[in-house]
Parts: sequence; C-alpha cells; structure tokens
Amino acid sequence: QVQLVESGGGVVQPGRSLRLSCAASGFTFRSYGMHWVRQAPGKGLEWVAVIWYDGSKDYYIDSVKGRFTISRDNSKNTVFLQMNFLGVEDTALYYCARGDSGWYGGEYFDYCGQGTQVTVSS
Amino acid sequence: AIRMAQSPSSFSASTGDRVTITCRASQDISNYLAWYQQKPGKAPKLLIYAASTLQGGVPSRFSGSRSGTDFTLTISSLQSEDFATYYCQHYYNYPPTFGQGTKVEVK
Repeated sequence: QVQLVESGGGVVQPGRSLRLSCAASGFTFRSYGMHWVRQAPGKGLEWVAVIWYDGSKDYYIDSVKGRFTISRDNSKNTVFLQMNFLGVEDTALYYCARGDSGWYGGEYFDYCGQGTQVTVSS
Repeated sequence: AIRMAQSPSSFSASTGDRVTITCRASQDISNYLAWYQQKPGKAPKLLIYAASTLQGGVPSRFSGSRSGTDFTLTISSLQSEDFATYYCQHYYNYPPTFGQGTKVEVK
C-alpha cells in the first residue's frame, strides 16, 4: 500500500534552515508529482510546493519563493524540502502528499503522510 | 491566486442528519475541485475529486456536485465517524488553494 513517511522536522531559531525528507513506498514513485502541504497550529491547510514526476518543474506558494526548494531523488523514492531563512510564520505541520489528476494545470492529493512538525522560535 | 470561500465554518449536527457544505470559487475552475476530511491529529483524507467522483473506499453517503463556481459536499446520513473538519481545494492552476474548512460537531 502507498506509504509516505516524513522526517527532518524540529525546533529551529528564526533565520536558520531545515531539510525535510519524505520516503515513499508502495507505488511507482517516478510516475507521480509530489507536494508539500502545511498546516499551522489550529489553522487550515496550505499548499507549499510541487515537483514534477521527473523533477523538470517546480512551483511554490509566494510566501516561500526564494527560501524553500523542493527536490527529489527517484532512485531513492524520496522527496525533499530545503527550507532556508525560516520565520515564525513557517511554524506548521508539514505533510508530504502524492499528486494526481491527469490535468496539467494542477493536482489533488490522493495520499498524505502523517506529517513532520516544524517549529520556528527564538 | 484563486480564492475558495467555504461555508459554514462550523456547525452542529446529529447522527442521521443530511449535511451540506459549500465552496465558492472566485473564478471558473471547471470541475477541478477536491474535498478532504481531516480528523484531529490525522492527515487529510481525499473524499472526492473532479467535483463529484468518489475516491475509492469512500462510503457512498458522501457526494459532490457543481453549479457554476459553486460546489457542494453532501453527506446523506451523518455517521459517528463523520464528525471531522472538511476542506475543499481547487486544482485548476498553481497555486492550488483550500477553503477555510468546515468543522462538523456533535449536536
């Protein structure tokens, strides 16, 4: 069955960096776009970034452009989120999600991991 | 970015009730709309995509519909396991955006 397992979260000071990982199994990883979605404490869901199935394209929400970088290693079935210059507004539970839709414009998320907590605090 | 206005933000209901949650997109998104259920401490779970297509394994009491830029999630007969927060999400273009969520609570 499809499994997505996130890791790499933690408590960091503002301005520092973190690298999240998501290990995927149970499906042909190289065939799917992969996303990061976050949820601040007590708040709703917010899409963060996507990387195309082959790594050829990526998109980001405006608030993280220039600070976050999504990447993937299809040989290791893993997607990453490098987060630099973290701010308190980035505090959230970060979910890795598999994308699907067959539509070039965007995707919904048919599987999500359990998330990894990122807390930015001085 | 396309805005998704979801309503209501919360309400109370009883087991067996018919429940309706709505989402209005700020522009045409065709049928590129998904619904998710999220329980406390859990990841969101996909219920419906393409506005009205039920994801595999989702009970048939859940249904979705579209009228222009208005989308509706209906639970025909609320069960105890359905008390949760529900989100809509468009995937017409990037960035995909979510509605603010609707919390369905026990009356």
